[in-house]
Amino acid sequence: QLQLQQSGPGLVKPSETLSLTCTVSGASISRSDYYWAWIRQPPGKGLEWIGNINYSGNTYYSPSLQSRVTTSVDTSKNQFSLKMSSVTAADTAVYYCARLPVVAGRVNWFDPWGQGTLVTVSS
Amino acid sequence: EIVLTQSPATLSLSPGERATLSCRASQSLSSYLAWYQQKPGQAPRLLIYDASNRATGIPARFSGSGSGTDFTLTISSLEPEDFAVYFCQQRSDWPLTFGGGTKVEIK
Repeated sequence: QLQLQQSGPGLVKPSETLSLTCTVSGASISRSDYYWAWIRQPPGKGLEWIGNINYSGNTYYSPSLQSRVTTSVDTSKNQFSLKMSSVTAADTAVYYCARLPVVAGRVNWFDPWGQGTLVTVSS
Repeated sequence: EIVLTQSPATLSLSPGERATLSCRASQSLSSYLAWYQQKPGQAPRLLIYDASNRATGIPARFSGSGSGTDFTLTISSLEPEDFAVYFCQQRSDWPLTFGGGTKVEIK
């Protein structure tokens, strides 16, 4: 059974870079039929897709965040990562990782999800 | 960007009642819509995919319908564990987007 375990700091200072990692167990991150995604949720609000990456480094990013977001894959550790630069208080949110399967050349649905990491941007 | 509008924002019902949640898209999605359930302090869970297909392990009281721009999630008879927030999400086009959510609360 595929599981996603997130790690990373819960507190980031304004203007610095947020970094999170998601470790995949139960499946190889190198499968060509999976993308690996990041989604966030500000406290008490809705969900916002950030972006996704596959094993070969193909990426899709939200237009509103793409200038500040970088994702990467480490196949040796079966992990993928998110970096978001120049954070502000508006980036305070629970960040989730998730699998995004590809079927017939089209991305499918977010399933499963990681446990979530609350990242607070504050000095 | 495809905008998904969910209604109502809050639904107050009693256990055993029927819940009907709506998701309307700003352009046609064909059937490329999913529903997720989120309980407090938990990650969202996939309930329904491609508008009407239940995900693995999802009880039969959950059903989805619709195509194009209008979609519905129905919970036929609310169980205590069904009181939660429900989000719709589209995969018809980039960027992937979510609706604002409907909270189903105990009346």
